[in-house]
Amino acid sequence: AQSVTQLGSHVSVSEGALVLLRCNYSSSVPPYLFWYVQYPNQGLQLLLKYTTGATLVKGINGFEAEFKKSETSFHLTKPSAHMSDAAEYFCAVSDRAGGTSYGKLTFGQGTILTVHP
Amino acid sequence: DTEVTQTPKHLVMGMTNKKSLKCEQHMGHRAMYWYKQKAKKPPELMFVYSYEKLSINESVPSRFSPECPNSSLLNLHLHALQPEDSALYLCASSHRVAPMNTEAFFGQGTRLTVV
Repeated sequence: AQSVTQLGSHVSVSEGALVLLRCNYSSSVPPYLFWYVQYPNQGLQLLLKYTTGATLVKGINGFEAEFKKSETSFHLTKPSAHMSDAAEYFCAVSDRAGGTSYGKLTFGQGTILTVHP
Repeated sequence: DTEVTQTPKHLVMGMTNKKSLKCEQHMGHRAMYWYKQKAKKPPELMFVYSYEKLSINESVPSRFSPECPNSSLLNLHLHALQPEDSALYLCASSHRVAPMNTEAFFGQGTRLTVV
C-alpha cells in the first residue's frame, strides 16, 4: 500500500525566507502526487500536482515542487515566505496503478507552517 | 463555478439524534467523496461515489449512511453517533475517480460536535 511521510510537523520561517516542506512517498509505482493547503477551519485547496511530464511543477501562490524518483520525494518550496502562507500543508498521493485503490487520496500527517514578521 | 458547498457549517447533535450533512457541486464532476478530519490530523477517506454509485466504503460504521441522490448532491446521514465522532467532515468532488490524477475540490467542511 502506498503511503506518504511529511518530515517535520511544524516549520517556522521568517517573512521573506525560503520555505521548504518535505514529503517522501512509499510506493512501488510512482504515484500521482499533490500538495494541498488548509487554513484554519477551512477545507483544502490544491497548490499543485504531479501526474506526468516535467518533474518541476509550479503551483499557485508562488509555490513549486520537484518530483525526484530516485529520492522518492516531492518537496514543496517557495523562495520568499509571506505572512499569508501561514497554514497547514498536506502532501497527498493517489495510486497510479489503480485497482481497488482507485479514488483514494492518502494524506501525510501535515506540516504547520508559521511565518514570523 | 469551482465550488463545493457544504451545509451546515456547524452542527451540534445529541447521541440519539438523526441529522444529515449536505454537499453540492455544479462542476459536472462524477466522483464525490466524504472525508473525516479529527483535530490536528489529516483527512481520512470515508466513502467514494462514482457516477452516483458507492464505489468505496472504508469500513465506516453503519451509524454513518451516505447517499448520492444525483450527480450534484451528496448526503451523509448520521444516527446514534458517539462523542468520538466529533470532527470536521469534508466533502470533495473530482472529474472522475479512476485514475485519480485530477484535482479534488474540497468544501469548507461541517464542524460536527456530538454531545
